[in-house]
Amino acid sequence: GPKVLQIPSHQIIDMGQMVTLNCDPVSNHLYFYWYKQILGQQMEFLVNFYNGKVMEKSKLFKDQFSVERPDGSYFTLKIQPTALEDSAVYFCASSLRVGEVFFGKGTRLTVV
Amino acid sequence: AQSVDQPDAHVTLSEGASLELRCSYSYSAAPYLFWYVQYPGQSLQFLLKYITGDTVVKGTKGFEAEFRKSNSSFNLKKSPAHWSDSAKYFCALEFQGGSAKLIFGEGTKLTVSS
Repeated sequence: GPKVLQIPSHQIIDMGQMVTLNCDPVSNHLYFYWYKQILGQQMEFLVNFYNGKVMEKSKLFKDQFSVERPDGSYFTLKIQPTALEDSAVYFCASSLRVGEVFFGKGTRLTVV
Repeated sequence: AQSVDQPDAHVTLSEGASLELRCSYSYSAAPYLFWYVQYPGQSLQFLLKYITGDTVVKGTKGFEAEFRKSNSSFNLKKSPAHWSDSAKYFCALEFQGGSAKLIFGEGTKLTVSS
């Protein structure tokens, strides 16, 4: 079936540095999402993106976070600067329409 | 506030038994409801959804779920269960109005022993 690819699967970064998480969504999808899951907790919505713009973002989407999808390429989540509490698994997702969402396997981010 | 509750963190049963994973939600309007499954090392996979209409919805892999407005539930069912159903299952709620934002429960880890 359709696949959302996330690169890399693991990333370790020093606190205060910048990190970019990359997502290759399903090719014809129009909606894009990032979710955050801290170990053992539920997955929480960060942001969704449609037609080149952020549709909605949650309280977890701090000012240090940004998303973009330049020229229909990767959908990226950038965190600058990173903090210890940003350590989590970040899931990218995409959908053709509102409803059935396809998820990637996640990128495990460890901030040290 | 909107929320999804999956009260059972772990469910264990024998192959051939019937499974039912519980999900309840809190939302003031009519919800869109989903079930996803996550196998170890895999991404979340869509199982089924309820938008409107028939309150029993059928999905992939032989699963079905029943929407009950009276007690705000959307339980996932399958009979008989198979060892390959062992995975973590997530119930999710989407706001109406096309916000495309899913709220997830904490998940239920299902173990089916052969």
